[in-house]
Amino acid sequence: ETGVTQTPRHLVMGMTNKKSLKCEQHLGHNAMYWYKQSAKKPLELMFVYSLEERVENNSVPSRFSPECPNSSHLFLHLHTLQPEDSALYLCASSQERGPQPQHFGDGTRLSIL
Amino acid sequence: GENVEQHPSTLSVQEGDSAVIKCTYSDSASNYFPWYEQELGKRPQLIIDIRSNVGEKKDQRIAVTLNKTAKHFSLHITETQPEDSAVYFCAASGVGNFNKFYFGSGTKLNVKP
Repeated sequence: ETGVTQTPRHLVMGMTNKKSLKCEQHLGHNAMYWYKQSAKKPLELMFVYSLEERVENNSVPSRFSPECPNSSHLFLHLHTLQPEDSALYLCASSQERGPQPQHFGDGTRLSIL
Repeated sequence: GENVEQHPSTLSVQEGDSAVIKCTYSDSASNYFPWYEQELGKRPQLIIDIRSNVGEKKDQRIAVTLNKTAKHFSLHITETQPEDSAVYFCAASGVGNFNKFYFGSGTKLNVKP
């Protein structure tokens, strides 16, 4: 299934670097989500975009900056991250009018040195 | 907000046995309950879901039951196979919240041949 595509799959960066994660969906959905998945923790919802408008910022530190230029694309810009930010970052999409299933990408495995 | 608890955190069964994973939720307004399977290094995939207007749903070897009064729902896998070994997540969602999902902490299922 290639409905939700995330790049890169793996990323190693230093704490002073700036990088971006990319998500693209080909399902015609109008809501997109960023999740953080750490070991032995529930999936943590970070951001929700509905019709390209951010509708949720779940107390996420400002070193994470999302961007949704259109309903098919979602970015997560990273800068001055901390070691505890190492995790799997998952993107998902769905129809905004829920409840509806969310479809996930394969995620980006992020390691902060 | 919604709080979803999931038990057990790990479950080992013999091939051919049944496996049951249980989740409870706190918000009586939640009305959609999906279950996701995540194999190691892969994306979460929807395996079955249930809405609050039904009490049970089956799809081959997988079934989900919902008790709205007690606010709990369960995943049942019959005739387990080693290929069923994965982490299973439950979630709860409601109407009018941009389709936000609240996930349980996951159950690691190990099916021994």
